[in-house]
Amino acid sequence: KAGVTQTPRYLIKTRGQQVTLSCSPISGHRSVSWYQQTPGQGLQFLFEYFSETQRNKGNFPGRFSGRQFSNSRSEMNVSTLELGDSALYLCASSPPTSGSSYNEQFFGPGTRLTVL
Amino acid sequence: GQQLNQSPQSMFIQEGEDVSMNCTSSSIFNTWLWYKQDPGEGPVLLIALYKAGELTSNGRLTAQFGITRKDSFLNISASIPSDVGIYFCAGQRGNNDMRFGAGTRLTVKP
Repeated sequence: KAGVTQTPRYLIKTRGQQVTLSCSPISGHRSVSWYQQTPGQGLQFLFEYFSETQRNKGNFPGRFSGRQFSNSRSEMNVSTLELGDSALYLCASSPPTSGSSYNEQFFGPGTRLTVL
Repeated sequence: GQQLNQSPQSMFIQEGEDVSMNCTSSSIFNTWLWYKQDPGEGPVLLIALYKAGELTSNGRLTAQFGITRKDSFLNISASIPSDVGIYFCAGQRGNNDMRFGAGTRLTVKP
């Protein structure tokens, strides 16, 4: 079974631009979560999508947005890029679950975004 | 920002030595998780802990869910060079609502 894939793997943008990152979850997984990873702040939760709806949201400004398509693929968009947005953006997908027990998240390799 | 305090930040050990790292929080978590991240890759789940006091092993790795539900530790016994990487703890409260520690960078000298 193919793992979580993210495209592109590397991206260089300049301040003020906008960027769209893509994530394809493992087949059959309907939940997709996005994280920002930086050396200073570590891994921080951005948002989670399930069945095309945002189910959870972290504490990031409105410049960060996302969406999920009917095939569970997800995109995240960052508008008006700032230098501090330079980071590794990780996507994780989870299989269908029942109850409230933890549902393992499988991470993709990430997209490394550099803002100049 | 992060709500988990993970220590140590880095460790330099000799092959064959045992390693211990831990995570503490001021908040209660329902699940504690330990991940390993290799360069250029996303984190991979090592151990998941679901109940306070639970002790779980995965090969040479052992992790425990603290009684207070506010802490967890990970031990690696008889380290080998491929143990090199960054280890993250994570606590989960709600469905897919996870908080991560800053990571422990492990270097193993042959």
